[in-house]
Amino acid sequence: GENVEQHPSTLSVQEGDSAVIKCTYSDSASNYFPWYKQELGKRPQLIIDIRSNVGEKKDQRIAVTLNKTAKHFSLHITETQPEDSAVYFCAASYNAGNMLTFGGGTRLMVKP
Amino acid sequence: DADVTQTPRNRITKTGKRIMLECSQTKGHDRMYWYRQDPGLGLRLIYYSFDVKDINKGEISDGYSVSRQAQAKFSLSLESAIPNQTALYFCATGENQPQHFGDGTRLSIL
Repeated sequence: GENVEQHPSTLSVQEGDSAVIKCTYSDSASNYFPWYKQELGKRPQLIIDIRSNVGEKKDQRIAVTLNKTAKHFSLHITETQPEDSAVYFCAASYNAGNMLTFGGGTRLMVKP
Repeated sequence: DADVTQTPRNRITKTGKRIMLECSQTKGHDRMYWYRQDPGLGLRLIYYSFDVKDINKGEISDGYSVSRQAQAKFSLSLESAIPNQTALYFCATGENQPQHFGDGTRLSIL
């Protein structure tokens, strides 16, 4: 089955700096890679996703890159703000809507 | 938005008790999922269902059972709860689009 590893487990940055979270996956059949943000006590919420036919996707301050050959994908947050502080999860699946395999999560702390 | 509703939101129970967590959705999706979240372990899949007649075990199904009563309802049961099942449980739906999660049930087993 699929295995997703996520690094780092915690990340502390100064407000305005960039943050990068990296994930690797094992199953070459996986073709859909969402990123979820989870604030304390709340549900995971999708912030961006990428499909394997695309190498990069950007939405304002958030971008995701995918390297299919190396089986890794990364989340990039620029100009971080205190409200970006949360736990971020990467995941992988075969097609959107199918069962997800999640990474272990990254706790991002943005210091004012 | 309340399109995936989980009940109860919090529950404290004792070892050995039977407990049911319920999930209902108004998104009209056939596919529903139950995940468990533990600190540092992300979310792990317990069971999933692709339609009313289709139930499948996930990564960590031991000690759990499910029932898909209707397209909109998918329940998770702990037949005899044990303390290491203390966790945050999420229901999710998805249909050719990103999975959408409920607000979760925080379950504590004493």
